[in-house]
Amino acid sequence: NAGVTQTPKFQVLKTGQSMTLQCAQDMNHNSMYWYRQDPGMGLRLIYYSASEGTTDKGEVPNGYNVSRLNKREFSLRLESAAPSQTSVYFCASSEGVGYGYTFGSGTRLTVV
Amino acid sequence: AQKITQTQPGMFVQEKEAVTLDCTYDTSDPSYGLFWYKQPSSGEMIFLIYQGSYDQQNATEGRYSLNFQKARKSANLVISASQLGDSAMYFCAMGLGASGTYKYIFGTGTRLKVLA
Repeated sequence: NAGVTQTPKFQVLKTGQSMTLQCAQDMNHNSMYWYRQDPGMGLRLIYYSASEGTTDKGEVPNGYNVSRLNKREFSLRLESAAPSQTSVYFCASSEGVGYGYTFGSGTRLTVV
Repeated sequence: AQKITQTQPGMFVQEKEAVTLDCTYDTSDPSYGLFWYKQPSSGEMIFLIYQGSYDQQNATEGRYSLNFQKARKSANLVISASQLGDSAMYFCAMGLGASGTYKYIFGTGTRLKVLA
């Protein structure tokens, strides 16, 4: 099925460990996004990529890096995980202004 | 400041009745989009409906309609004929941006429970 694929679905990290969340879309969308969802706070934008080769910070970028590897793939890296990064992470893509996002199924990350 | 506010943390509705979920927004940008998403207990985010700031007519998608009142800066979601499967978390979001990219600001959500 066409859509946004995120891996892994679940992950437990120890404080200080690093990991990369992978995201790929097969809808030929230009724009891709990473959000985190925390209880009572809705979703907050971490980074986004308007097109292949560009990335920009969102509302909560500290502690994260991203790579837009090609038009399909947009990865999120935690270099040194902290308990405050325990969250559900969503990747999304969009055809453009005026179109809704297509979200991945999410990654539930716990940092202990 | 750009902000989305959902003031109803939780709502109950009887099956087959209509329900309105409130959303107010704040932006000084003349061009923006308003979106509603549904998040069932399984966790995925499902796009429901979109309203552009320049659209004259209220958006409708099946049983979903968006009551857009620009002067009041409100974008309420109306679900007609509620079904048990409508029980979920609902998020209002505002899309802002240019050059073909919308960045969303999300509200904190409203949890809807449909009663049999």
